[in-house]
Amino acid sequence: RKEVEQDPGPFNVPEGATVAFNCTYSNSASQSFFWYRQDCRKEPKLLMSVYSSGNEDGRFTAQLNRASQYISLLIRDSKLSDSATYLCVVITGNQFYFGTGTSLTVIP
Amino acid sequence: GAGVSQSPSNKVTEKGKDVELRCDPISGHTALYWYRQSLGQGLEFLIYFQGNSAPDKSGLPSDRFSAERTGGSVSTLTIQRTQQEDSAVYLCASSYGTVEKLFFGSGTQLSVL
Repeated sequence: RKEVEQDPGPFNVPEGATVAFNCTYSNSASQSFFWYRQDCRKEPKLLMSVYSSGNEDGRFTAQLNRASQYISLLIRDSKLSDSATYLCVVITGNQFYFGTGTSLTVIP
Repeated sequence: GAGVSQSPSNKVTEKGKDVELRCDPISGHTALYWYRQSLGQGLEFLIYFQGNSAPDKSGLPSDRFSAERTGGSVSTLTIQRTQQEDSAVYLCASSYGTVEKLFFGSGTQLSVL
């Protein structure tokens, strides 16, 4: 079983839509969680950390559900510039485990 | 420097040749990771350095792959006798500690002909 699993998509949504991605992780001992964004042919960049209490950064909201071992990312009022691949990242021990990413395309 | 620096940005080599990829982490970052990403695929962990501890080499795909980190800073990933399946983007990342956020370099695109 993979450490981190994500729906690869693709998600094609119109501008202004709300879209949500989920990610599940297999190890209950995992201690830190992040969402990274990767643009085509670019390196991944940190989007936001994910906390149990939930956290928000502008149009982006991240949630962690430890009991069910999943994390989510909600994007409101989608912009064309949100088009990218979103990577779920879980830290277990010293290791960063990356999901394969969910592809989002925001359509004009 | 301000960010993680990798060189070269592109490397084209012939099958069977050796290549060296370089990574300069962010100053002060103690943890350094190497990943590999094939086109349209996720990140594949290769090796991890933390301070002066022995590296975690569990992700290296074969004994043709090796890496070192000199002086706790610059790291070199060496691939011997390259094969076509080694073609990928090799990404280096560093972090301040073991559970801190990762900062990636822009990667080395390796093409083995």
